[in-house]
Amino acid sequence: GDSVTQMEGPVTLSEEAFLTINCTYTATGYPSLFWYVQYPGEGLQLLLKATKADDKGSNKGFEATYRKETTSFHLEKGSVQVSDSAVYFCALSLQGAQKLVFGQGTRLTINP
Amino acid sequence: DTAVSQTPKYLVTQMGNDKSIKCEQNLGHDTMYWYKQDSKKFLKIMFSYNNKELIINETVPNRFSPKSPDKAHLNLHINSLELGDSAVYFCASSLRGGTLSYNEQFFGPGTRLTVL
Repeated sequence: GDSVTQMEGPVTLSEEAFLTINCTYTATGYPSLFWYVQYPGEGLQLLLKATKADDKGSNKGFEATYRKETTSFHLEKGSVQVSDSAVYFCALSLQGAQKLVFGQGTRLTINP
Repeated sequence: DTAVSQTPKYLVTQMGNDKSIKCEQNLGHDTMYWYKQDSKKFLKIMFSYNNKELIINETVPNRFSPKSPDKAHLNLHINSLELGDSAVYFCASSLRGGTLSYNEQFFGPGTRLTVL
């Protein structure tokens, strides 16, 4: 079935460090890919998305590129801030399926 | 504010009780969802409704019964609560779109259910 695998957390970095959170997927069709972020005590917010191969989603300094050949959608940020501390979820949705399949989430902590 | 809202935010109850969680969206969306997030933060879809019609039911026990009185509301009723039902339940909404498109899902703040 369709699935998403994220790198194991938790991830702890110092402020201004470079961030990569790996995400790979398995899907029967051509999915859209998403990164959602969950700040402490809050619901999920869409961080960025990409709907076809080679698309790059970006928002708030975060980027992810849809790589069909490696079935990956890794999240990157060049210089993280303490305020980026949250749980990050990679997710996919197949055309017309109208449901999100989530990875297990990666908890990110940024220390000042 | 335009948003997806859920009530209550916290729900603590005894095993065997029946409880409901309410969800409302004022975004003009036609599709609503319930997701369950377990203690390890894993998120999984439970139900999806489009225009009050059930379109996704992901092998959820019969004790869980969603009800959609109109497009803007999707409530979740749980009978005979069990310890394993303790989780955070998220409501979400979106526009359904066509078969070749996907529309962003907007999530509510979550309801933390604790069964004692």
